[in-house]
Amino acid sequence: SQTIHQWPATLVQPVGSPLSLECTVEGTSNPNLYWYRQAAGRGLQLLFYSVGIGQISSEVPQNLSASRPQDRQFILSSKKLLLSDSGFYLCAWSLSGVRNGYTFGSGTRLTVV
Amino acid sequence: ILNVEQSPQSLHVQEGDSTNFTCSFPSSNFYALHWYRWETAKSPEALFVMTLNGDEKKKGRISATLNTKEGYSYLYIKGSQPEDSATYLCAFYRGGADGLTFGKGTHLIIQP
Repeated sequence: SQTIHQWPATLVQPVGSPLSLECTVEGTSNPNLYWYRQAAGRGLQLLFYSVGIGQISSEVPQNLSASRPQDRQFILSSKKLLLSDSGFYLCAWSLSGVRNGYTFGSGTRLTVV
Repeated sequence: ILNVEQSPQSLHVQEGDSTNFTCSFPSSNFYALHWYRWETAKSPEALFVMTLNGDEKKKGRISATLNTKEGYSYLYIKGSQPEDSATYLCAFYRGGADGLTFGKGTHLIIQP
């Protein structure tokens, strides 16, 4: 069966520090991968999506970047965190095709102080 | 920017009552409409993926309808139970490799 792992679960980082959140998927090949963020009082916002190794599309210009070094690994990074980067970050995967729902990871609560 | 609206923002329902809430989305470039349930301290869980105008899907006491021409979907819960308490998200898919665009959700609280 397919599983998705996301870590860490919580993170408190000072402003200006770097960030690395990792997400891995097991039990499937060539998934579409996504990073979403929920800021306080807002809905889930798509940050990045990837349809294959090294292929990253960004939905929103921001202080963050994403990489997909392996088929089932998706990494969210920042060189210098801002206060506005605080939020709940969710990784998700899906198979290609209009009828496939997303499977979400357990999320990372990031607080930038 | 795609606009996906959900109403109401929050809802208190007595246990045993039925309820419904709305998701509105762009009626152009429609490919699919997703519904998710997001319980506290858990990951969002897919309920339905709907693609056809007039489609109706059902899972236990929960059902959903879809009108792509006017751009709305309803989610219905029959005989609400405390375990139905969650945030219900709808998400619009416009096709291709793009991700879903989510609404802000309806926060449902079932009162015993």
